[in-house]
Amino acid sequence: DAGITQSPRYKITETGRQVTLMCHQTWSHSYMFWYRQDLGHGLRLIYYSAAADITDKGEVPDGYVVSRSKTENFPLTLESATRSQTSVYFCASRGQGANTEAFFGQGTRLTVV
Amino acid sequence: AQSVTQPDIHITVSEGASLELRCNYSYGATPYLFWYVQSPGQGLQLLLKYFSGDTLVQGIKGFEAEFKRSQSSFNLRKPSVHWSDAAEYFCAVGRGNKLVFGAGTILRVKS
Repeated sequence: DAGITQSPRYKITETGRQVTLMCHQTWSHSYMFWYRQDLGHGLRLIYYSAAADITDKGEVPDGYVVSRSKTENFPLTLESATRSQTSVYFCASRGQGANTEAFFGQGTRLTVV
Repeated sequence: AQSVTQPDIHITVSEGASLELRCNYSYGATPYLFWYVQSPGQGLQLLLKYFSGDTLVQGIKGFEAEFKRSQSSFNLRKPSVHWSDAAEYFCAVGRGNKLVFGAGTILRVKS
């Protein structure tokens, strides 16, 4: 099915553990993004990627790692999860041009206990 | 600092009443402007966007937005709200490679 999918949808992990959130898109969009959504803050950009093997930091990158070896995948890794990383994470993708629509996944709700 | 401001965290309107959600941005040049809607437990869906031309843009679900350069605003409007419009609404600005969001406005619709 065409679209952008995130997995898992829900995840509970312990403090200090490594966890990876997956994002896959089928449009061959150049750009992919990771946001976290927290009450009162809207969506804050964690990392983004303009193409395979090209990534850059957003607003709140600390504690996160990304990679993009293939155009369609953009995993987000929390190397050592902290409770402050409890959030809802959204992946998005879009084509070339800042005026093009970004398409969002359904989100991953991550709880760090 | 460059930012997107949505001054209203919550808005409650009666079904059938008109709606206006405010958005201001602080970028120097005219950026690309978007409104997205998020229904509970869902991802974000694009309502409309502006990047040039007519300053009044029409979107899906009966929404429209007006770009006012002098006020650095891009307010979202709907003439008659339906109960199904209850959701969270985000204004966003596209600058370079990034898409920057405001904090969102939660719309409640009372019958």
